Amino acid sequence: GENVEQHPSTLSVQEGDSAVIKCTYSDSASNYFPWYKQELGKRPQLIIDIRSNVGEKKDQRIAVTLNKTAKHFSLHITETQPEDSAVYFCAEDGATNKLIFGTGTLLAVQP
Amino acid sequence: DGGITQSPKYLFRKEGQNVTLSCEQNLNHDAMYWYRQDPGQGLRLIYYSQIVNDFQKGDIAEGYSVSREKKESFPLTVTSAQKNPTAFYLCASSPTFGGTEAFFGQGTRLTVV
Repeated sequence: GENVEQHPSTLSVQEGDSAVIKCTYSDSASNYFPWYKQELGKRPQLIIDIRSNVGEKKDQRIAVTLNKTAKHFSLHITETQPEDSAVYFCAEDGATNKLIFGTGTLLAVQP
Repeated sequence: DGGITQSPKYLFRKEGQNVTLSCEQNLNHDAMYWYRQDPGQGLRLIYYSQIVNDFQKGDIAEGYSVSREKKESFPLTVTSAQKNPTAFYLCASSPTFGGTEAFFGQGTRLTVV
């Protein structure tokens, strides 16, 4: 079945450093790979997404890379700031188009 | 204010009682979803609806039921058959089913005592 593994489960970085979160999926039919940010007590919100015909996408300090051969995609946050502290979820849609989420990464940016 | 609204924010029920969580959207989205969020387990799909009057089971549907009689509404009933109902429940919607951004409600925290 569809499965998304997300690592690490927790990540602590110093303000200004980079953070990388990686997800691995199993369904080769997956075409859509979004990343969501959930601040404490709030709803998840989309921060960036990528489709299977693109290898990399960037939006200011956030970038996502996709390696379809290896079936993994990663979120890169540069110049981290305290307001980046949150739980980040990756997801993929698979052959069934159902959005399946990873288990989440708690990112803590230390000032 | 447009968007997707869940109510109530907090809900307490006694064990053995059924409870219904509300989810309403005014985004004119075709697809709607219910997820359950537990610590360390991410978001797990309970039920989804691709279009009005249609719904399918997700990965953890046992003990839950839904209806989709109106495009804007997708209520979730947590029945007494759900063995561990205490959790944070998130409703979401998307313009179409698959391949598009899902917009989430603010969630309902259900506590069963």
